[in-house]
Amino acid sequence: EAQVTQNPRYLITVTGKKLTVTCSQNMNHEYMSWYRQDPGLGLRQIYYSMNVEVTDKGDVPEGYKVSRKEKRNFPLILESPSPNQTSLYFCASKSGRDRGPGELFFGEGSRLTVL
Amino acid sequence: AQTVTQSQPEMSVQEAETVTLSCTYDTSESDYYLFWYKQPPSRQMILVIRQEAYKQQNATENRFSVNFQKAAKSFSLKISDSQLGDAAMYFCAYRSAWGNTPLVFGKGTRLSVIA
Repeated sequence: EAQVTQNPRYLITVTGKKLTVTCSQNMNHEYMSWYRQDPGLGLRQIYYSMNVEVTDKGDVPEGYKVSRKEKRNFPLILESPSPNQTSLYFCASKSGRDRGPGELFFGEGSRLTVL
Repeated sequence: AQTVTQSQPEMSVQEAETVTLSCTYDTSESDYYLFWYKQPPSRQMILVIRQEAYKQQNATENRFSVNFQKAAKSFSLKISDSQLGDAAMYFCAYRSAWGNTPLVFGKGTRLSVIA
């Protein structure tokens, strides 16, 4: 089954404690992306990656890091989480060869709370 | 930068009736794609319908159809014969046709379906 898998699905942590949200896709997609969803703001892109070792900032990259060492994985790293990073996070992927209106496949979301 | 505006934070519809969700966008590009995503309480992002800007014909997927007005930069979603399962948050999204550019989302419209 084609899917994007995120872990953990839920996490409560404290300010300053480094954490990583993993994302893995099994569709051999080149393009992967992280979004955060906040009430009244919709989804905003944090980082994206066009392929292995190619990453770039989205609209709200501050406080986040990413890496793309393998095609299937795109972890989101919060080096020193702060309460304003409490949010619902989505990982998504798409075929890079698709130049049309290809579907962006989303993971199930990770609810992060920073105390 | 492109922006997407959903002017209705909340809408409600009676079961079996028809409802239209509004979306406008701002872009200087001529070639792009538009999408409607549904987010039920499970938080999963589900693609409902997509439209290619160069196609004049409005997209249709079963009970879901769009009214795409390119000159007015409007992309509304019509849901016919509304069902209880249609209750969700709906997001309008825009993507440029050039390269693997990110999806730009509106802030969402929460749709309630009344039995």
